[in-house]
Amino acid sequence: GNSVTQMEGPVTLSEEAFLTINCTYTATGYPSLFWYVQYPGEGLQLLLKATKADDKGSNKGFEATYRKETTSFHLEKGSVQVSDSAVYFCALSPMNRDDKIIFGKGTRLHILP
Amino acid sequence: DSGVTQTPKHLITATGQRVTLRCSPRSGDLSVYWYQQSLDQGLQFLIQYYNGEERAKGNILERFSAQQFPDLHSELNLSSLELGDSALYFCASSGGRSGAQFFGPGTRLTVL
Repeated sequence: GNSVTQMEGPVTLSEEAFLTINCTYTATGYPSLFWYVQYPGEGLQLLLKATKADDKGSNKGFEATYRKETTSFHLEKGSVQVSDSAVYFCALSPMNRDDKIIFGKGTRLHILP
Repeated sequence: DSGVTQTPKHLITATGQRVTLRCSPRSGDLSVYWYQQSLDQGLQFLIQYYNGEERAKGNILERFSAQQFPDLHSELNLSSLELGDSALYFCASSGGRSGAQFFGPGTRLTVL
């Protein structure tokens, strides 16, 4: 079946450090892939998406590339800020859009000033 | 702002009671999803509706029910509430080709 595995947190970094949050998936065909972010006390927000292999999604300095060969969609940012502290969820939407979206368990990120 | 609205924002009630949570999807979205998020941050999928009909069920308790109305808004009904039902309840909607879901701000339910 479809599944998403992302690195467990919490992840603690200093401001301006490089960020990578790993995400791998299992799915048939070519699902769409997403990263969502949840700031404290808020709902999930779509951060970026990629709908086909080799696509790069980007937003707010974050990037993730759809790697079919490694079934991965790792989230990266070159220089994190305190305001990036949040929970990040990797997710996939199967090719059959009738199937529900699958979320990873979330990774909590703490950025220290 | 995702375009998805949820009311109320907070709800405090007692065990054994019944509550109704309301969600209005983004304009044009036909699918509505309900999720429960507990303190350990994980998202539990409860149920999906598409254009008024139930499409998929997840880990939804028998004490919980939902419906989607002709104007596409949805309600989640929680009855015989227990302390363990205290959580954040999110509604999401989708309608695009990518399958992306857009989340509301959530309802925080506290059962005392």
